[in-house]
Amino acid sequence: AQKVTQAQTEISVVEKEDVTLDCVYETRDTTYYLFWYKQPPSGELVFLIRRNSFDEQNEISGRYSWNFQKSTSSFNFTITASQVVDSAVYFCALSEANRDDKIIFGKGTRLHILP
Amino acid sequence: DVKVTQSSRYLVKRTGEKVFLECVQDMDHENMFWYRQDPGLGLRLIYFSYDVKMKEKGDIPEGYSVSREKKERFSLILESASTNQTSMYLCASSLSQARGGYTFGSGTRLTVV
Repeated sequence: AQKVTQAQTEISVVEKEDVTLDCVYETRDTTYYLFWYKQPPSGELVFLIRRNSFDEQNEISGRYSWNFQKSTSSFNFTITASQVVDSAVYFCALSEANRDDKIIFGKGTRLHILP
Repeated sequence: DVKVTQSSRYLVKRTGEKVFLECVQDMDHENMFWYRQDPGLGLRLIYFSYDVKMKEKGDIPEGYSVSREKKERFSLILESASTNQTSMYLCASSLSQARGGYTFGSGTRLTVV
């Protein structure tokens, strides 16, 4: 069965600090996809990144970076030099290739960036 | 700008009422999904659809049904609303084989009293 665990329920950091959001997943498939979504206070989830299981390269997009490690079944998300606008709930998610486009979300991590 | 539109942002209904939550997308997406979001439980899939007049149960379909008569519209129906269905409901759509590249609506916060 597939499962996504975000052990950090809530994190608070002071603006300009770096912060890492943890995500651990479980799947029996060899082909799968991992995602991060952001939910700001407005409520609408915003797609941030997709990574397939054959691509373990880390990715950087501006202040955001993602570390995918199959050996530990983790897909962690780091925000560098955090800003108040980064305050949101962040969801990690997993989709198995044989299940079409259905994805399973973790319970989310609420991130507070304090000014 | 592509969009997924949910008809109501906030809704208050009485126990036992039949409730319709509407979702419309203008991106010609094949796939549409309904999730509910509750504190501490994350997003849970209620129903999804890969095509017109087609539906599949998600993880928590009990107490809900859906309708997809047209490609762009996916309705979630609470046949007899109960207080435990008070929640945030999120609709999403995606292209076939989009592999999770969902576009979400802004959500409907439903309160059943």
